[in-house]
Amino acid sequence: GAVVSQHPSWVICKSGTSVKIECRSLDFQATTMFWYRQFPKQSLMLMATSNEGSKATYEQGVEKDKFLINHASLTLSTLTVTSAHPEDSSFYICSARTSTDTGELFFGEGSRLTVL
Amino acid sequence: DAKTTQPTSMDCAEGRAANLPCNHSTISGNEYVYWYRQIHSQGPQYIIHGLKNNETNEMASLIITEDRKSSTLILPHATLRDTAVYYCIVFIQGAQKLVFGQGTRLTINP
Repeated sequence: GAVVSQHPSWVICKSGTSVKIECRSLDFQATTMFWYRQFPKQSLMLMATSNEGSKATYEQGVEKDKFLINHASLTLSTLTVTSAHPEDSSFYICSARTSTDTGELFFGEGSRLTVL
Repeated sequence: DAKTTQPTSMDCAEGRAANLPCNHSTISGNEYVYWYRQIHSQGPQYIIHGLKNNETNEMASLIITEDRKSSTLILPHATLRDTAVYYCIVFIQGAQKLVFGQGTRLTINP
């Protein structure tokens, strides 16, 4: 199947700093990418949907100025957690849909953010 | 997208078939049933999907009832590595978002 790669797989940062997480589709073009966050023992919560070349659509309750999403190309989307605080510590997962729109989604390995 | 209901947890003996049910009574005609699983601290892994016919691949079989209001994922010979949270999701292909429910935590016991 298609491969989606996230980087970094884990990151520790100080409170107040910004952290960027990359999501790449390695062998296909992804017109749509989704960003999720997951707290321990909970399900994935959709944060936003990004389409290449346009602004991301954020879910209710997700601060767009806090979680900056950029989908500048068909193979790369980035999530930047700005001015991170300990409550932003979570597992962040991206997924991508192929441009042929078969419906199948491919997920990255996830990025674990710990804010001290 | 239609809502799904799954048991919170299930146990299965190693080597036996694991049958995971999912109710999606409000599913519409153009919504597909997808199954993913998530092993601890990893991204979700695609398993199988279907519209109305039963489907089988190298990982599992998907049985969808004739009225499409429920489905069952079957892992024919469960191994310890199949221990994971299994998510049943329904959505329209091309839908702009994919929402996960709570899933079923499947534990395979030796």
